[in-house]
Amino acid sequence: RKEVEQDPGPFNVPEGATVAFNCTYSNSASQSFFWYRQDCRKEPKLLMSVYSSGNEDGRFTAQLNRASQYISLLIRDSKLSDSATYLCVVLSNTGNQFYFGTGTSLTVIP
Amino acid sequence: ETGVTQTPRHLVMGMTNKKSLKCEQHLGHNAMYWYKQSAKKPLELMFVYNFKEQTENNSVPSRFSPECPNSSHLFLHLHTLQPEDSALYLCASSHAPGGSASPLHFGNGTRLTVT
Repeated sequence: RKEVEQDPGPFNVPEGATVAFNCTYSNSASQSFFWYRQDCRKEPKLLMSVYSSGNEDGRFTAQLNRASQYISLLIRDSKLSDSATYLCVVLSNTGNQFYFGTGTSLTVIP
Repeated sequence: ETGVTQTPRHLVMGMTNKKSLKCEQHLGHNAMYWYKQSAKKPLELMFVYNFKEQTENNSVPSRFSPECPNSSHLFLHLHTLQPEDSALYLCASSHAPGGSASPLHFGNGTRLTVT
């Protein structure tokens, strides 16, 4: 079983829509979780860390469900500039290995 | 100046060439990483250095040879590569593992093509 699994999409949504991505992880002892954004042919960039209580940064909301071992990312009022691949990243409980999902592709359409 | 800098941005090399990728970080981190990203695949961890000591070698072929002279610099020496080694090679850094969770900060990558 993969450490981290994501729906690769693609998700094609109109501007202004709300879109949600989920990601599941296999190791229940994992402690830290992140969402990264990767534009075509560029490096991944940290979008936000995911905290146990959930956290929000502008139009972006991240949540963690430990019981079901999944994290989510919600994007409200989608902009054209949100088009990218969103990577779910889980840090091992030993703190020495980051596990990446394959990424979810989002295209926001005018 | 960006936090993590990689050179070169693009590299084309033949199978008999020897080349090196360079990474430098200015974030005060103590851990540095090499990742490989091929099309349609998740990022693959290659090597991890923690306080200049190699702590992970993810079954990487010996034609890839890392070097970490200090906590700020990381190299990946390449020799006798194969066409399937063509990929985006990403360097990253973070605070040392084991403490509070520190995310990875990536360099802009080297796009390698092996002919």
